[in-house]
Amino acid sequence: KNEVEQSPQNLTAQEGEFITINCSYSVGISALHWLQQHPGGGIVSLFMLSSGKKKHGRLIATINIQEKHSSLHITASHPRDSAVYICASHSGGGADGLTFGKGTHLIIQP
Amino acid sequence: DVKVTQSSRYLVKRTGEKVFLECVQDMDHENMFWYRQDPGLGLRLIYFSYDVKMKEKGDIPEGYSVSREKKERFSLILESASTNQTSMYLCASRKERGVDTEAFFGQGTRLTVV
Repeated sequence: KNEVEQSPQNLTAQEGEFITINCSYSVGISALHWLQQHPGGGIVSLFMLSSGKKKHGRLIATINIQEKHSSLHITASHPRDSAVYICASHSGGGADGLTFGKGTHLIIQP
Repeated sequence: DVKVTQSSRYLVKRTGEKVFLECVQDMDHENMFWYRQDPGLGLRLIYFSYDVKMKEKGDIPEGYSVSREKKERFSLILESASTNQTSMYLCASRKERGVDTEAFFGQGTRLTVV
């Protein structure tokens, strides 16, 4: 069974800092998702990637398939980036196949 | 933009009540999912559906049932609510079965059973 581990569980940083959140998974996957959840509950999909690197604004996601590891980076962090970031792996097949990490609670202080 | 809409943001129900949580998506997605999210446990799959009238159990289906009479609507039913079903419930949809596609989530329903 695929296990998804995120680190750190909690992260507090100052505005402007470069942020890295890590995600490791235990079995081969077909895709990895990064999700953002703001206070209040709604979840937004940030990235879905199966290789290499993707960038959207100040957010960058990378994945190393051989090492079974992905990272989410935030450059020039801002208080509005404060949220829970969740990675989820897709093992392929079936209607779901998503295994979620427990999330990283990020707080950016002004 | 894909939109997944849950009928309520907050609900308070009494133990033993029958509770309906509704979810509607507007992008003709085949797959719809119900998750619950609890502190320290992350998202856990309750039920999913890959077509109208089709449903499959997820990891924690006990105490729940679902209904999908129309493609755009997926309902989660708590037959007799209990306090251990107090949680955040999230609905999601994805385009196709077995294909890597982006997942779209609703805004969540925070259910409290008293």
